[in-house]
Amino acid sequence: GQNIDQPTEMTATEGAIVQINCTYQTSGFNGLFWYQQHAGEAPTFLSYNVLDGLEEKGRFSSFLSRSKGYSYLLLKELQMKDSASYLCAVRKGSTLGRLYFGRGTQLTVWP
Amino acid sequence: DVKVTQSSRYLVKRTGEKVFLECVQDMDHENMFWYRQDPGLGLRLIYFSYDVKMKEKGDIPEGYSVSREKKERFSLILESASTNQTSMYLCASRGSRLVYNEQFFGPGTRLTVL
Repeated sequence: GQNIDQPTEMTATEGAIVQINCTYQTSGFNGLFWYQQHAGEAPTFLSYNVLDGLEEKGRFSSFLSRSKGYSYLLLKELQMKDSASYLCAVRKGSTLGRLYFGRGTQLTVWP
Repeated sequence: DVKVTQSSRYLVKRTGEKVFLECVQDMDHENMFWYRQDPGLGLRLIYFSYDVKMKEKGDIPEGYSVSREKKERFSLILESASTNQTSMYLCASRGSRLVYNEQFFGPGTRLTVL
């Protein structure tokens, strides 16, 4: 495996901000993806980082530090519909390289 | 919109049966993938394909084979199903001309082997 680590579970309340961390150890790093997966559904693409820094897309932002092997997904103004599993995935090698997934973080948003 | 479809949402088979899981994508993507997803283990890659008739083993290919005779279709075959192959199976595809080269997933097939 590629030693991709993320917390198993997190909880937060509506309107709050939550940060989901992902650490990885891999050679030939070529990008990090975040996916969202609601129960019983397929994962859907959220964000992609290949350079250090923050990428913002509406309520969701993703950060990458390649030197630290670290990324986080930041969710603002949480809504009940954000309750889902969040998957961190690392790509190795060429841009056509396969993805290596973490085990996912189950986020529960309470009213 | 990219569409990845899988032949069944739910499937129940008996031990020893040969099982075919079909995946079709409509975006002319070169790359297709088969994963299984189990609680606590996350997504694990079984096989993938870069082009028609080409296949590569993933992390857990044992007990599975694949077929890609046409670009849009990628089949996963369980030659002799066993109870430890009870799982959620997810197919994905990716094109080489996409901005992020992200994978698009099908809805999944929940397979139960009795």
